[in-house]
Amino acid sequence: DVKVTQSSRYLVKRTGEKVFLECVQDMDHENMFWYRQDPGLGLRLIYFSYDVKMKEKGDIPEGYSVSREKKERFSLILESASTNQTSMYLCASRQPGLAGANEQFFGPGTRLTVL
Amino acid sequence: AQSVTQLDSHVSVSEGTPVLLRCNYSSSYSPSLFWYVQHPNKGLQLLLKYTSAATLVKGINGFEAEFKKSETSFHLTKPSAHMSDAAEYFCVVISKAAGNKLTFGGGTRVLVKP
Repeated sequence: DVKVTQSSRYLVKRTGEKVFLECVQDMDHENMFWYRQDPGLGLRLIYFSYDVKMKEKGDIPEGYSVSREKKERFSLILESASTNQTSMYLCASRQPGLAGANEQFFGPGTRLTVL
Repeated sequence: AQSVTQLDSHVSVSEGTPVLLRCNYSSSYSPSLFWYVQHPNKGLQLLLKYTSAATLVKGINGFEAEFKKSETSFHLTKPSAHMSDAAEYFCVVISKAAGNKLTFGGGTRVLVKP
């Protein structure tokens, strides 16, 4: 069965802290994604990675960075957390197909609160 | 550019009555469209997808959606709501023109009354 796991379900951090969110997938997927989910805004893409050591900015990359050293792991880093980064963070993975329409598989999410 | 508009942020239905969740999209290329469901404290789960085959798509849990190009719509329906359908639903578009990135609608939260 397909599985995407995220290291924490809930996190509370202080303003200015460096925060690491980890995501692991066991499906050997090439593509991985980080989204944030806010009420009324749906999911917005922060960063994505087509393959190991590759990364691309999404729609809202400011204040975030990512790391993909291994195929199965994609990390989201908040260099200096701010209160406006309080949100639900969702990781996803996908194996790309010719039509680009292969579904993405999502992790359960990490609810981050920055005080 | 592509975009998705879910016309209702909240929908309330009685158990056993039909459910309609409305979605309109904008895409400059032949899109693929998805509906995802998110139950409380759970990850997103794919309900169904349209990828240029049949315009009426059947998904899991009795849901279906119809792709109407002339109306740029992809509304989700279910003939009879169940209490377990209470969740948030997202309409999603993807196209080659947008680099195969997903664009999500704002979500529709469904409340099912007994």
